[in-house]
Amino acid sequence: DIQMTQSPSSLSASVGDRVTITCQATQDIRNSVNWYQHKPGKAPKVLIYDASNLETGVPSRFSGTGSGSDFTFTISSLQPEDVATYYCQQYGDLVTFGGGTRVEIK
Amino acid sequence: QVQLVQSGAEVKKPGASVKISCKASGYSFTSFYIHWVRQAPGQGLEWMGIFNPGRGNATYAQKFKGRVAMTRDTSTTTVNLELSSLRYDDTAFYYCATGYFGSCYHWGQGTPVTVSS
Repeated sequence: DIQMTQSPSSLSASVGDRVTITCQATQDIRNSVNWYQHKPGKAPKVLIYDASNLETGVPSRFSGTGSGSDFTFTISSLQPEDVATYYCQQYGDLVTFGGGTRVEIK
Repeated sequence: QVQLVQSGAEVKKPGASVKISCKASGYSFTSFYIHWVRQAPGQGLEWMGIFNPGRGNATYAQKFKGRVAMTRDTSTTTVNLELSSLRYDDTAFYYCATGYFGSCYHWGQGTPVTVSS
């Protein structure tokens, strides 16, 4: 199975800060990556699909880039409502989730 | 609207099996895949496998092969997950989710499974 190494595992940033999360796959998966936001007590939500496409209705401060084996997820200006755990997920070969990044407000 | 309703909480002894159901409604049952994902306490999301309700076949993550089975009942638009030879580290919330092969868009409410002697 393809492994997804996600970092950092947690971060604390101030409102308005730029936040970046990375995921590295163990092999080339082209652009087959989604990014999810998971808040406690709620279902995970797809924010970015196919590595860089913003899901309908998702604020434009969220973005994704990358292809091959290296992927980046960015929140351009962190807001209080963005407190959550974020996961990358590959579907280039079956499905694997990254380990998650817990985002908190400083 | 798309809705996935899962069966209730389970408590099982080590070595036993558990079967969780996921009833789908609000869309064409055979048009989208059903994923099974679990989350152990304090841990991240772990993908277990995917079921094609149209064909009735499943593909499992390597970690669970030999211990997991996914089945369907088309008359009730329900997909089932059965996990056998339960261990303490199988204690987790188990979720079904529907979407395309690569994406999980709509999720069930989760079923807590506790493995305890």
